[in-house]
Amino acid sequence: EVQLVESGGGLVQPGGSLRLSCAASGFTFSSYAMTWVRQAPGKGLEWVSAISGSGGSTYYADSVKGRFTISRDSSKNTLYLQMNSLRAEDTAVYHCAKNIVVVPAAAVDYWGQGTLVTVSS
Amino acid sequence: EIVMTQSPATLSVSPGERATLSCRASQSIRSNLAWYQQKPGQAPRLLIYGASTRATGIPARFSGSGSGTEFTLTISSLQSEDFALYYCQQYNNWPPWTFGQGTKVEIK
Repeated sequence: EVQLVESGGGLVQPGGSLRLSCAASGFTFSSYAMTWVRQAPGKGLEWVSAISGSGGSTYYADSVKGRFTISRDSSKNTLYLQMNSLRAEDTAVYHCAKNIVVVPAAAVDYWGQGTLVTVSS
Repeated sequence: EIVMTQSPATLSVSPGERATLSCRASQSIRSNLAWYQQKPGQAPRLLIYGASTRATGIPARFSGSGSGTEFTLTISSLQSEDFALYYCQQYNNWPPWTFGQGTKVEIK
């Protein structure tokens, strides 16, 4: 059974940093691209970042480029999102998701429940 | 950036009736479109990818169609568990992958 469990969210002040983690199980982690999608309270889905199965290619939304870094550790079956220079508009539930193929240009077929990031003073 | 527009914003349907949801892309995305269902407090669930391929475990009452810029998700006979939010997403021109704003299917 595929499982994705996010952690690392919380309350942080504007300008601060957080690192989100997503522990994956139930599939061959390195064979699939992974994606972060966020959802602000009461709002729709927003794609944030994606990484290829090998980790060699990464992609970012313009709204987070230069502030967020996606990475993965296949030895730990874990996906990360390092978030720096956080802003109030980054407040959202962050979901990690598994792509259906090794490259990110595809749908995502499994999602984690998400971790809430609140940016506020 | 490709803009995805879903209509209607809210669809009121009686159980057992058919629901038809639309999604339009601002430029051609071929068949690189997915549909997701989201219930309150839950993560989204993949229903359809490649515009018309049902994901694993998705009931046959869900079907997707379209290509280019116009897409449709049809739920042939609404069950109580189908009342939810539905999003379309394109993954043809990337980054960024973009989502529609969602269609809420509510009980009439």
